[in-house]
Amino acid sequence: SQQGEEDPQALSIQEGENATMNCSYKTSINNLQWYRQNSGRGLVHLILIRSNEREKHSGRLRVTLDTSKKSSSLLITASRAADTASYFCATDYSNDYKLSFGAGTTVTVRA
Amino acid sequence: SQTIHQWPATLVQPVGSPLSLECTVEGTSNPNLYWYRQAAGRGLQLLFYSVGIGQISSEVPQNLSASRPQDRQFILSSKKLLLSDSGFYLCAWTEGPTLNEKLFFGSGTQLSVL
Repeated sequence: SQQGEEDPQALSIQEGENATMNCSYKTSINNLQWYRQNSGRGLVHLILIRSNEREKHSGRLRVTLDTSKKSSSLLITASRAADTASYFCATDYSNDYKLSFGAGTTVTVRA
Repeated sequence: SQTIHQWPATLVQPVGSPLSLECTVEGTSNPNLYWYRQAAGRGLQLLFYSVGIGQISSEVPQNLSASRPQDRQFILSSKKLLLSDSGFYLCAWTEGPTLNEKLFFGSGTQLSVL
């Protein structure tokens, strides 16, 4: 069953603006991951954050994790047209390491 | 460096026909291998995973089967396709020992069953 759910479903922003999307999950986890998917392609891993971490950065990406609220956020700063894609969070279950993906947030960056 | 190959990229098959999708990984040994399916506008559904040659775990009962005849080869099959088998199929791999590490995905196969 689906563990994580992204919010919003879709997001449209102007180039240069920041994009923020959220992921909520239901049960305790070992780690949470974010992936990007360009239309018709495979997913590309962005960031993995473990349950004992609160924030991670990678280039223009910032991920936070709040285990008390069972939620995570992905922030893309200074967005570019190339950031147009769908973004998925994936979580495992603490006693079952298989990953479960949400339905994704579709981000459109307007030039 | 490691690479993953998945083919074909697109496939159109009639209902009732067989299916064989192949995935191979290069540059690593004893990977965990996965088959996912993605319906249009939806998230990924884990279909099968394998932690070793001949070891297949099925996540959902369905019309599909998987095999791992070699360490770095993962095959998704069906004897008779259904309309509901249409979707975007993705092969992926992780390094061990657990299943929740970073996934590396293939480029996917868009399957249309008509």
